[in-house]
Amino acid sequence: AQTIHQWPVAEIKAVGSPLSLGCTIKGKSSPNLYWYWQATGGTLQQLFYSITVGQVESVVQLNLSASRPKDDQFILSTEKLLLSHSGFYLCAWSPDWVYAEQFFGPGTRLTVL
Amino acid sequence: GEKVEQHESTLSVREGDSAVINCTYTDTASSYFPWYKQEAGKSLHFVIDIRSNVDRKQSQRLTVLLDKKAKRFSLHITATQPEDSAIYFCAASPNTNKVVFGTGTRLQVLP
Repeated sequence: AQTIHQWPVAEIKAVGSPLSLGCTIKGKSSPNLYWYWQATGGTLQQLFYSITVGQVESVVQLNLSASRPKDDQFILSTEKLLLSHSGFYLCAWSPDWVYAEQFFGPGTRLTVL
Repeated sequence: GEKVEQHESTLSVREGDSAVINCTYTDTASSYFPWYKQEAGKSLHFVIDIRSNVDRKQSQRLTVLLDKKAKRFSLHITATQPEDSAIYFCAASPNTNKVVFGTGTRLQVLP
């Protein structure tokens, strides 16, 4: 069975500080990977997706970047946090065929002060 | 780009009644429409989906209807139970790797 793990569970960071969030998928080779951001009480905004190692596509520009250093790992980062980065960050994976359901990780709650 | 509007922000029904959540989309290229459920403070999990080559799909108490002409799709839940209480998000995919979500509907099933 596939499992998806996100770290950390929660973060409290200062404006202007760097950030790195991680996501690991076990039990599935070559998954499509996604990052989403959800403002408190809001909808989900797709940030990035990746269909293969080393290749990441940006969907929206929010002063964030993403990388896929390994087949099972997806990293979200920024060098300088903004207040507007606060929210719930979700990583998801889907099988490597088109139009399939996505499986979401437990999420990381980020508070920027 | 694609925009998905979810018409009901909140919906309250009595246990055992039916609930309907309606969504509209703008991009005729969208051909995949998943629904996800989010319980309070938790992540999302998949509920049901429909592809544009059909106009109806049923899974147990859930039915999704798709009207491509009107660019409208809906989730029908019959015989609602307290555990159905959650936020439901509709979504549309205009291409294989992009997903645009609606704003969510908070469904409350009252005893």
